[in-house]
Amino acid sequence: EPEVTQTPSHQVTQMGQEVILRCVPISNHLYFYWYRQILGQKVEFLVSFYNNEISEKSEIFDDQFSVERPDGSNFTLKIRSTKLEDSAMYFCASIPEVGQREYFGAGTRLSVL
Amino acid sequence: GESVGLHLPTLSVQEGDNSIINCAYSNSASDYFIWYKQESGKGPQFIIDIRSNMDKRQGQRVTVLLNKTVKHLSLQIAATQPGDSAVYFCAENMIQGAQKLVFGQGTRLTINP
Repeated sequence: EPEVTQTPSHQVTQMGQEVILRCVPISNHLYFYWYRQILGQKVEFLVSFYNNEISEKSEIFDDQFSVERPDGSNFTLKIRSTKLEDSAMYFCASIPEVGQREYFGAGTRLSVL
Repeated sequence: GESVGLHLPTLSVQEGDNSIINCAYSNSASDYFIWYKQESGKGPQFIIDIRSNMDKRQGQRVTVLLNKTVKHLSLQIAATQPGDSAVYFCAENMIQGAQKLVFGQGTRLTINP
């Protein structure tokens, strides 16, 4: 089965630092997503991205967050100034078209100290 | 508002028995539902999906039932195996517009040998 890949698997950073989480969606997929899961809680939608722009974003996705598709394969999530409460698992997902199930990556564990 | 919830946070069954995991959703406009399995430290893994024009769908050892009247979704796993131990999430989606998944809290399923 095709896979969404995420790097790194674990990122440790100091509060206030910038982090970039990287994702390589499945190659023929057109819609890309970032979700967050705080330890022990449910998975929460952050942002969707289509045609090189944000389609929708949640209240969590404030000005400290940004996404980018810098080339034809990578999809990144940047947090400009990390806070302790940003510590979570971040999952990237993609779909070929609307109405199809989302394929998730294995996630990046972000630890903000 | 949009929300998806689960009736039971934990479920323990004997190996070989059948299990049923339940989910309630509140958005009557949701028309696509997915069950995901999440093992510790991993991303959500697709199990089965169902669209709102169906009330039952079967996969290998799994069956999803959808009751739109009471906005209830269930996942049945037949002949459970130790590898079925995981957290199971239901997720709802509206296919119209930008797709995004709204996840429930999750049910931890433990298979006892």
